Amino acid sequence: GEDVEQSLFLSVREGDSSVINCTYTDSSSTYLYWYKQEPGAGLQLLTYIFSNMDMKQDQRLTVLLNKKDKHLSLRIADTQTGDSAIYFCAESTSGTYKYIFGTGTRLKVLA
Amino acid sequence: NAGVMQNPRHLVRRRGQEARLRCSPMKGHSHVYWYRQLPEEGLKFMVYLQKENIIDESGMPKERFSAEFPKEGPSILRIQQVVRGDSAAYFCASSDGTDNEKLFFGSGTQLSVL
Repeated sequence: GEDVEQSLFLSVREGDSSVINCTYTDSSSTYLYWYKQEPGAGLQLLTYIFSNMDMKQDQRLTVLLNKKDKHLSLRIADTQTGDSAIYFCAESTSGTYKYIFGTGTRLKVLA
Repeated sequence: NAGVMQNPRHLVRRRGQEARLRCSPMKGHSHVYWYRQLPEEGLKFMVYLQKENIIDESGMPKERFSAEFPKEGPSILRIQQVVRGDSAAYFCASSDGTDNEKLFFGSGTQLSVL
C-alpha cells in the first residue's frame, strides 16, 4: 500500500538552514503537504505543493519535489528556536480526504 | 474564529472501560474526519462524517469503534471495552467540503489505556 517515510529527528543550530526530507510511494499523489505540530497544539498546515510543480517558496520555507524519485523536502531558512516542532509530510490524491502521513520529523533548534 | 476543538486533551481509561472523544469542527465546517496516530507511526484515516451521516468508515476497526456526528453538538468517537492497543493520539479534522485538499486539524486527544 501507499507509504510515506521520514527520518525521526533533526537537530540544527539557530540561524542555520534546516532540510527535512520525505519519500512517498504513491505515484498517483496529487498533493503533498507539510504540517507542523508544536507541543500541545494541533497540526498546522504549513504549505502544500501540487505534483505538477517542482518547487514552491513561501517566505522562509522552500518545498522541493522530485517526482521521478518521489522525494519531497522542506527547507527552512534562518531556523529559529520557534521552529522547534514535529514536521509531518503527507500526500493525497485529487479530491480525497484520505491523507497518508509520515511518522513526523522532530526538529530541535539549538540556541 | 476558533479552530477545531477536541476534548479531552488527555484521557486515561482502564482496560474494558469506554472512551468517548469529542470534536467540534471549525465554524462553518460540516465535514469531520477522524485520524489515529499509533506510537511511532503516522496518522491513519479512520472515518469521514457529515451531519448525521457516515460517509466513509473504511479505516475504522470492525469492532468496538463507532463514530457519530449528530445534527446538534460535536462529533463523537466512541471506543467500547478499550484495550491497551487502543492507546494512541486521536486527531479530528474538519473541512467545508468544497476543498478536501485542505483539512484543518485539532490538537488531538491522547488516549492511554492502563
